[in-house]
Amino acid sequence: QSALTQPASVSGSPGQSITISCTGTSSDVGTYNYVSWYQQHPGKAPKVMIYEVNNRPSGVSDRFSGSKSGNTASLTISGLQAEDEADYYCSSYTSSTTWVFGGGTKLTVL
Amino acid sequence: QVQLQESGPGLVKPSETLSLTCTVSGGSMRGFYCYWIRQPPGKGLEWIGYIYYSGSTNYNPSLKSRVTMSVDTSKSQFSLRLNSVTAADTAVYYCATMKAPYSSGPSDYWGQGTLVTVSS
Repeated sequence: QSALTQPASVSGSPGQSITISCTGTSSDVGTYNYVSWYQQHPGKAPKVMIYEVNNRPSGVSDRFSGSKSGNTASLTISGLQAEDEADYYCSSYTSSTTWVFGGGTKLTVL
Repeated sequence: QVQLQESGPGLVKPSETLSLTCTVSGGSMRGFYCYWIRQPPGKGLEWIGYIYYSGSTNYNPSLKSRVTMSVDTSKSQFSLRLNSVTAADTAVYYCATMKAPYSSGPSDYWGQGTLVTVSS
């Protein structure tokens, strides 16, 4: 199972919006609405920000939103804040009943 | 508040077996899937697999021949064993509990992670 494809890095200024893409195949992202997004600050455990494509756990800011089209899922962060600077990972369920993660995207808030 | 804590040796010799335990406190393991996920230094996340509280398992095919997971609900613990380790197994190992076998959700809990280095 190959890793999902994410851009290595994205950046934006405070207040702006950014989108991180996560491209898979018809065996994972394209078939299942089980895409999650995680935020990871240095030295910390990942924290789920979005699950099942577009659902936010309680306590996660509504500035974070998820969507999916075909084999590509996306995470959008609006109104960028300094504390959003972190690594972001996507994951998807697969037709092999396993999970696959993306390679991760480093978000820099300028 | 549910908390998870990984424990085990931080240094393992090549060809030996890595053994980690995750202790769950503040809540029951009943109904939860217990995951292991790892992250090599400076790299991305890798799904190792999970064990359901009742004992059924699902492993990453790339690691399946070397992985064994077990659960002891009486101790609120679940464990990972990875045999025949090499330097490529050096990583921060996270344990996590989730309500589903196919997705994260609003009831996820993660440990803080523990670094395991494979070196002679």
